[in-house]
Amino acid sequence: EAGVTQSPTHLIKTRGQQATLRCSPISGHTSVYWYQQALGLGLQFLLWYDEGEERNRGNFPPRFSGRQFPNYSSELNVNALELEDSALYLCASSLVQGRTEAFFGQGTRLTVV
Amino acid sequence: AQSVTQLGSHVSVSEGALVLLRCNYSSSVPPYLFWYVQYPNQGLQLLLKYTTGATLVKGINGFEAEFKKSETSFHLTKPSAHMSDAAEYFCAVSGAGNQFYFGTGTSLTVIP
Repeated sequence: EAGVTQSPTHLIKTRGQQATLRCSPISGHTSVYWYQQALGLGLQFLLWYDEGEERNRGNFPPRFSGRQFPNYSSELNVNALELEDSALYLCASSLVQGRTEAFFGQGTRLTVV
Repeated sequence: AQSVTQLGSHVSVSEGALVLLRCNYSSSVPPYLFWYVQYPNQGLQLLLKYTTGATLVKGINGFEAEFKKSETSFHLTKPSAHMSDAAEYFCAVSGAGNQFYFGTGTSLTVIP
């Protein structure tokens, strides 16, 4: 069974540009979580989607947005990129029917220059 | 509301020594608790989890953790550290609505 897949693995963007990160959850998982992991800052919760709806949002500006598609895959968009957006972006998925563990992808390394 | 506190952002142990990583949580509902490990430039991998039942939980790579409700703790231990255990460790709690809350992580260094 395929795990959580994220694309691209690495992304280099210029300040002011937009970045789009993609996540495919494990088959059958309806919840998708996004986290930002900047150097030395641990895991910062960004967004939680379930059944196509945004369930919760972390303390990030509106230029961080996303969506979940009918097949439960998800997209994270970051507009007007700033240098401090450089980080590892992790996606995780879980079942919602029960409180079960989250499974993580390998992440997308975003570098803003 | 749920939250997790990991005591000690950096822990160093000698190879072969006991590993103890501390995690305390708060939860308004019976918690589900997790420990994850992260190797450099990789995603998080589940080490072990507590949902219900036995409070001593065994995980992969020789790690175990004990759920202590009275102390609101879920400390991670391993009797004998190995060089390959050097990594970042995260404690997490899943509460009402199935959202996950992560601690700030503990970086484990194993000294040869």
